Amino acid sequence: DTEVTQTPKHLVMGMTNKKSLKCEQHMGHRAMYWYKQKAKKPPELMFVYSYEKLSINESVPSRFSPECPNSSLLNLHLHALQPEDSALYLCASSHPGTVDYTFGSGTRLTVV
Amino acid sequence: RKEVEQDPGPFNVPEGATVAFNCTYSNSASQSFFWYRQDCRKEPKLLMSVYSSGNEDGRFTAQLNRASQYISLLIRDSKLSDSATYLCVVNGGNQFYFGTGTSLTVIP
Repeated sequence: DTEVTQTPKHLVMGMTNKKSLKCEQHMGHRAMYWYKQKAKKPPELMFVYSYEKLSINESVPSRFSPECPNSSLLNLHLHALQPEDSALYLCASSHPGTVDYTFGSGTRLTVV
Repeated sequence: RKEVEQDPGPFNVPEGATVAFNCTYSNSASQSFFWYRQDCRKEPKLLMSVYSSGNEDGRFTAQLNRASQYISLLIRDSKLSDSATYLCVVNGGNQFYFGTGTSLTVIP
């Protein structure tokens, strides 16, 4: 079982909806990441939080809004998404600057 | 130029075969190297880290060539359960760069 928990596992949303993806870890990791993965493609980095502060935003559209309320939680707020945003959204965590990197099982998002 | 490049395959090999994957990276300052395995519709999972001296874990051997900037993964005595996509990952700073993955299917 993964130690990074993502909810929900599946999400179908309309283009006018607002939804949130959640990620939780209790490994004491202080770096957390959101990745987006399309079918047959590698994961693409979206955001990095280090010590609860946003350290990297890979030019992600503003319809994706990350939030890190505390050291264990990472959210991704979604609003006005497009069908091409349909993908597997992966959360990961690590100790900053180390290789101890764990992925959650992902949220499979479909935008209709 | 992509940070990490891999041959996407697919590789279709019979059970018991030996198969090798290669991956090249562009940043000579990269410090850490990994192979991840991803099963269909699942998250990537760390298979093994890659050390300069080369390292082995059972049927799996990973090697790093810093001069030529490539890493390799060798799988011996392939099992049906080895069928997956193998992702080469290179760490630069606080980012992980993923290769496109190489698809392996082991055939009975």
